[in-house]
Amino acid sequence: DQQVKQNSPSLSVQEGRISILNCDYTNSMFDYFLWYKKYPAEGPTFLISISSIKDKNEDGRFTVFLNKSAKHLSLHIVPSQPGDSAVYFCAAFDSGTYKYIFGTGTRLKVLA
Amino acid sequence: EPEVTQTPSHQVTQMGQEVILRCVPISNHLYFYWYRQILGQKVEFLVSFYNNEISEKSEIFDDQFSVERPDGSNFTLKIRSTKLEDSAMYFCASSEAPGGRETQYFGPGTRLLVL
Repeated sequence: DQQVKQNSPSLSVQEGRISILNCDYTNSMFDYFLWYKKYPAEGPTFLISISSIKDKNEDGRFTVFLNKSAKHLSLHIVPSQPGDSAVYFCAAFDSGTYKYIFGTGTRLKVLA
Repeated sequence: EPEVTQTPSHQVTQMGQEVILRCVPISNHLYFYWYRQILGQKVEFLVSFYNNEISEKSEIFDDQFSVERPDGSNFTLKIRSTKLEDSAMYFCASSEAPGGRETQYFGPGTRLLVL
């Protein structure tokens, strides 16, 4: 039962171009969404979040878009840099149970 | 910048043995969590802990698992009688407050291998 899905296991993008990572969820009770970045041998690092009352949140090169009707969110990185190469996890927070539900991750590779 | 630390970074154990994974959360944080990631799979929530008791636990967190805050700084995950399928990366996390309004800070993880 995958409540949070990241259907693309990997993505390659040229340096300087836009990276778009996608995430779909099934539970309409989720009210907060987060993106984490994970480098090998390290724990996930918080990147950016969005509340369900918003449809966009921007922080520097990172923008998260939320489409509640489609139960879809995306992370845009522009311009992409080689240091952005990592695994990106989408997570949804269920405020009813105080649980984070993570997606399976998308491995982003930014090519120099 | 404060960080969550975990020890050991790697642990190899025989099936049936007990292991204790240790975490030192960020000092002013009150909420603590354990997650695991089996190789190639998603990060899974195990348990959350507040005020010296479990707040929430997942279906994975059965009687084989226990958590403890033995002193003011450590937060431990004990796995009794380990099974092969317990092999995974175990992440500890902490936050100032529960919920998505505060980010959770993750430790670097302990890679557990059960043989």
